[in-house]
Amino acid sequence: DTGVSQDPRHKITKRGQNVTFRCDPISEHNRLYWYRQTLGQGPEFLTYFQNEAQLEKSRLLSDRFSAERPKGSFSTLEIQRTEQGDSAMYLCASSPYRSGNTIYFGEGSWLTVV
Amino acid sequence: KNQVEQSPQSLIILEGKNCTLQCNYTVSPFSNLRWYKQDTGRGPVSLTIMTFSENTKSNGRYTATLDADTKQSSLHITASQLSDSASYICVVRGFYKLSFGAGTTVTVRA
Repeated sequence: DTGVSQDPRHKITKRGQNVTFRCDPISEHNRLYWYRQTLGQGPEFLTYFQNEAQLEKSRLLSDRFSAERPKGSFSTLEIQRTEQGDSAMYLCASSPYRSGNTIYFGEGSWLTVV
Repeated sequence: KNQVEQSPQSLIILEGKNCTLQCNYTVSPFSNLRWYKQDTGRGPVSLTIMTFSENTKSNGRYTATLDADTKQSSLHITASQLSDSASYICVVRGFYKLSFGAGTTVTVRA
């Protein structure tokens, strides 16, 4: 499978615990995005990488959220001290450099904080 | 604030019928507009991409239109099938950031 891969697909965690999601973009896609989506809503932008550089971070991302893309390939999104309001689907997407290219989404990682 | 508004919020149509979804946006600068189909619990899948110079683009039974002057787009589904039941999301790209609409949930009934 050469699509965007996300792991884990589902995560249930207790409030206060830390969770980490991983995203493997399509090979050679240098743009990588993280979005958060709650039921009935469109995805909300969280952060964007071009290669290993994190070029923008949404105000939605509190200090408890951190994302990395250490070698410009896979990316991780960590949430520390999870809260119930963090329950959502976290979507990763990747695209080649040119703006007109298709952006491919992964299947998402569902987080439930109990 | 860049916004993308979609209407209707949801609709129900009979199998074989056509329907049209609307998208209005205020995103600036404008790079391109995309329509995505998202099945429940899955990631969005691209249907069409249009730049400001393109008025219409088709992908099978899906036809998207764009009026960059009025900042409006539509997605027309022809001869709907049960598998068309999904959320259809309008996405507008600025420099690199994507602005998403809340989606229109389409339910196709036999």
